[in-house]
Amino acid sequence: EAGVVQSPRYKIIEKKQPVAFWCNPISGHNTLYWYRQNLGQGPELLIRYENEEAVDDSQLPKDRFSAERLKGVDSTLKIQPAELGDSAVYLCASSLDLRAGYTFGSGTRLTVV
Amino acid sequence: GQQLNQSPQSMFIQEGEDVSMNCTSSSIFNTWLWYKQDPGEGPVLLIALYKAGELTSNGRLTAQFGITRKDSFLNISASIPSDVGIYFCAGQPLFGNDKIIFGKGTRLHILP
Repeated sequence: EAGVVQSPRYKIIEKKQPVAFWCNPISGHNTLYWYRQNLGQGPELLIRYENEEAVDDSQLPKDRFSAERLKGVDSTLKIQPAELGDSAVYLCASSLDLRAGYTFGSGTRLTVV
Repeated sequence: GQQLNQSPQSMFIQEGEDVSMNCTSSSIFNTWLWYKQDPGEGPVLLIALYKAGELTSNGRLTAQFGITRKDSFLNISASIPSDVGIYFCAGQPLFGNDKIIFGKGTRLHILP
């Protein structure tokens, strides 16, 4: 069974440019999460989807970040425009049952220069 | 707000030694999870705990859900080189709206 697939693995962009990340969750996992992990820190939740509905986006900086999960499967996370402080690893995770924990993808390491 | 305090921040041990790390919070948690993250990868779930007092093992790893529901610990016995990495505790707060929050991690180094 394929795990959570994320692309790209690495992205380097100049500040003020847009960037998008893509995530394909494990088949059958209705819940999808986007996390941001800053260097030396634990992951912090940005947004959680139940199927195609964003049920918790309270930590998503909505002035520049947006996300979508069309058809309740794949998801994209976009930043426009990117700022220097957005440099981090963006992790996607999916789960069937919250109490069983998540399965994380390998992440996208974003560097904004 | 709800935060997890994970300690120690980092550990330097000899191969073969036992390791102990813990996670505490001022809030009550329903679920405790322990993850390991290798460089360039996402965290991988090691152990999940669901009841106060629960003690669960996964090979050389043992974790416990604290009686007060505000803490958890992870032990690794007879460490080996592949144990190197960052260990994160994570938990679902009792009043967290199904949210799971993560600690800042314990970085484990094994000396040659």
